[in-house]
Parts: sequence; structure tokens; C-alpha cells
Amino acid sequence: ETGVTQSPTHLIKTRGQQVTLRCSSQSGHNTVSWYQQALGQGPQFIFQYYREEENGRGNFPPRFSGLQFPNYSSELNVNALELDDSALYLCASRGGTGNTIYFGEGSWLTVV
Amino acid sequence: RKEVEQDPGPFNVPEGATVAFNCTYSNSASQSFFWYRQDCRKEPKLLMSVYSSGNEDGRFTAQLNRASQYISLLIRDSKLSDSATYLCVVSAYYGNNRLAFGKGNQVVVIP
Repeated sequence: ETGVTQSPTHLIKTRGQQVTLRCSSQSGHNTVSWYQQALGQGPQFIFQYYREEENGRGNFPPRFSGLQFPNYSSELNVNALELDDSALYLCASRGGTGNTIYFGEGSWLTVV
Repeated sequence: RKEVEQDPGPFNVPEGATVAFNCTYSNSASQSFFWYRQDCRKEPKLLMSVYSSGNEDGRFTAQLNRASQYISLLIRDSKLSDSATYLCVVSAYYGNNRLAFGKGNQVVVIP
């Protein structure tokens, strides 16, 4: 319905492992951002990509990295997973001159 | 100080009643303001944008007070389906994806 799809929807990883989360946006949505939402908290901005370049970053360490591709898909990579990385990871996109931001359904990551 | 502060509640509201809550934001240069609704274990969805003049969408009314840096949301004639978490959201720039979220106000409408 929003045109933003994320995968996987749920996954479990072990501390120290690496994870890649994926997002596919609507055609023409040049700006994509990623958020982390821990239980009981509001989403926290991780970073933003515009035309395949990072152009904004929140207060997250370098082990959180991303990529955006020409086909309006993007990735969030997290290295050296920690227990506190357990959260809902949301991808959001916006395109054109509109101000509406659309969220995907999110990826639930559990680190054990 | 957090960028956006909200009292998480929960707000237990009898069906048919009115509920109102505020949030405050710290960045006086903020340009865009929104209320998002988030159902349990789902993604946030835009409820309404908030304009300086205040705006209404059906049973929902949003107000912005730039001088005091707070935003409010009022829900009239509460329905059971209004039970959700309402997230106050602020952006420093118009058209920017960098949104600052509050913790959310959890609303539970009771029959």
C-alpha cells in the first residue's frame, strides 16, 4: 500500500554477527532513510541516502552502514551485532516534491 | 534534552470521550510537524500534518504553538479503533527525511 517493502520481516542473529536488511521503494523515490525503533521508544534516525549518497546521519556508530542503488532499493548493514541492536528497523522513502514520507513494515531484528 | 518529548501514558479513554495530549520539541528552527499513528508491532503511518494555523481532519484536531514549541492532538468521540500509539514528529527542514520522533502517546479506548 505504501510502495515500500522490507525484507526480511523477522530474523534472529547472534551477538558479533553481521546483518543486512533490505528495502525497496517506489519508483522515483530518490530519498531513503533508515530508523531504529527499540521497544517502547520512538524511531531513531540512523541515516539518509539521496541519489546513492549518504547525506545525513544520526547518532549511530560506523558499524551501521548503508547503500542505495539506482533501482530505488537500499540496504542497511550492521556489523558486530550487540544485544542492544535488537529492534524494529524501518525504511522510509519520499520522492518528488511531496512531503509525505512512507514507511515500510519494518524488519524485526533480535540479537541473542 | 531530547528533540521531542511526549508523555507516553497510557491514556485510558472511555469510548465516546475526548482525549488530548501535547508534545514539546527543542529545536526552534523546526519547519515541519506531524502526528503519526502506530499500531502494535506495525510501522508508523501518517495521521496528519500540523500547520501553524491549526488543522482538523474529522475527529482529529492538531495545533502548533511555535512560541512555546509544542504540538497538540485532540481526538473527539473516541472509537475503539483509535487505540494506538500516537507519535509526535518534527523535521528541521521541509521535505527532509530526517524526522525526530517522540516516544509516543499510547491511547487505549475502553468500551
